[in-house]
Amino acid sequence: QKEVEQDPGPLSVPEGAIVSLNCTYSNSAFQYFMWYRQYSRKGPELLMYTYSSGNKEDGRFTAQVDKSSKYISLFIRDSQPSDSATYLCAMRADTGGFKTIFGAGTRLFVKA
Amino acid sequence: NAGVMQNPRHLVRRRGQEARLRCSPMKGHSHVYWYRQLPEEGLKFMVYLQKENIIDESGMPKERFSAEFPKEGPSILRIQQVVRGDSAAYFCASSLGTGTNDYFGPGTRLTVT
Repeated sequence: QKEVEQDPGPLSVPEGAIVSLNCTYSNSAFQYFMWYRQYSRKGPELLMYTYSSGNKEDGRFTAQVDKSSKYISLFIRDSQPSDSATYLCAMRADTGGFKTIFGAGTRLFVKA
Repeated sequence: NAGVMQNPRHLVRRRGQEARLRCSPMKGHSHVYWYRQLPEEGLKFMVYLQKENIIDESGMPKERFSAEFPKEGPSILRIQQVVRGDSAAYFCASSLGTGTNDYFGPGTRLTVT
């Protein structure tokens, strides 16, 4: 079993839709939870960063962490064609080398 | 303030040659991480370095791969005697410290022919 599971998609939605992206994980030591956006042939770009459980909102993006269920989500409101990219969840523990474990990424297509 | 720089952006090597990938972290960042990304896969952690020290190399193959982050100059990921399976995108990220945001470079795409 992978430490972080993420559905690779692809996920195709119409412009203006609400997008829900999710990851599950198995390591209860994870405390830092991140979402990255990666355009084709580019480096990942940090979108959201959450420590421990709870919600965080930034513009059209909302990140949720449910540590009891080992489940994290990213919601994108009023999706735009420019949101079409691969979204990677990532997480890290407080100890043990601080290495970040990534999900496989979900490819999102937003149709105009 | 320039972001994380990686060069070369594309590198072609024949089997058995050496590949040297460079990463210049953001100004003021002393923590560097290297990742490998295969097509349709997420990023796999390889090594975490601070200036002149390897902190965690648990994701790096024991053979042929090495990394350094000298006091002066960029971090270097070195792959000796490359094989076709080494073809991938290699990304580095830098941060101010542990528990802070990582910023990624644009990656180096290595092709082994």
